[in-house]
Amino acid sequence: GEDVEQSLFLSVREGDSSVINCTYTDSSSTYLYWYKQEPGAGLQLLTYIFSNMDMKQDQRLTVLLNKKDKHLSLRIADTQTGDSAIYFCAAPRGSTLGRLYFGRGTQLTVWP
Amino acid sequence: NAGVTQTPKFQVLKTGQSMTLQCAQDMNHEYMSWYRQDPGMGLRLIHYSVGAGITDQGEVPNGYNVSRSTTEDFPLRLLSAAPSQTSVYFCASRSGQGRTDTQYFGPGTRLTVL
Repeated sequence: GEDVEQSLFLSVREGDSSVINCTYTDSSSTYLYWYKQEPGAGLQLLTYIFSNMDMKQDQRLTVLLNKKDKHLSLRIADTQTGDSAIYFCAAPRGSTLGRLYFGRGTQLTVWP
Repeated sequence: NAGVTQTPKFQVLKTGQSMTLQCAQDMNHEYMSWYRQDPGMGLRLIHYSVGAGITDQGEVPNGYNVSRSTTEDFPLRLLSAAPSQTSVYFCASRSGQGRTDTQYFGPGTRLTVL
């Protein structure tokens, strides 16, 4: 299987919460990342979580990490149309810095 | 700071042509990487560099060459373009300092090979 897996599509109504899920295989990952890509643009770091944490909250964003199951999720509260984008989960490739495995990306569509 | 810049933004090549995608960063980052993004495939690592004079292969290096003569620049060369190399190419950099692997991405180059 792939090193980082995530579902490809998610549609929500404006104001609802969005939850994007990701699983990864490398148990040595120290940090796990969420990147956001808006149409026609490069990727921007959204948030990250250290592997010894279960949860990290940053304004409307909540990251949950289940290290035992190698499962990472990103929750966006009060989702807005401006949140429509592709969200990528990323995990380091072993101990080599500068190398990340990216998931295929989840296309989030927010309906007004 | 301009961050990570890439040129050109768009390029159309014929099969067999060669070209160089340019990438530069002004953040004095040690690590630089090239990724390609294909629909439904996420990002795949082509080549990366941990410092000037040091490069290594990623997942999909065939058909691409890189060099890193300065900290700032990390060009990607296509020696003989093939239609399978039609993709969006992203350059990224990260600092050698710090514990996280936060990467900064350029805006991308959309390449079409006919």
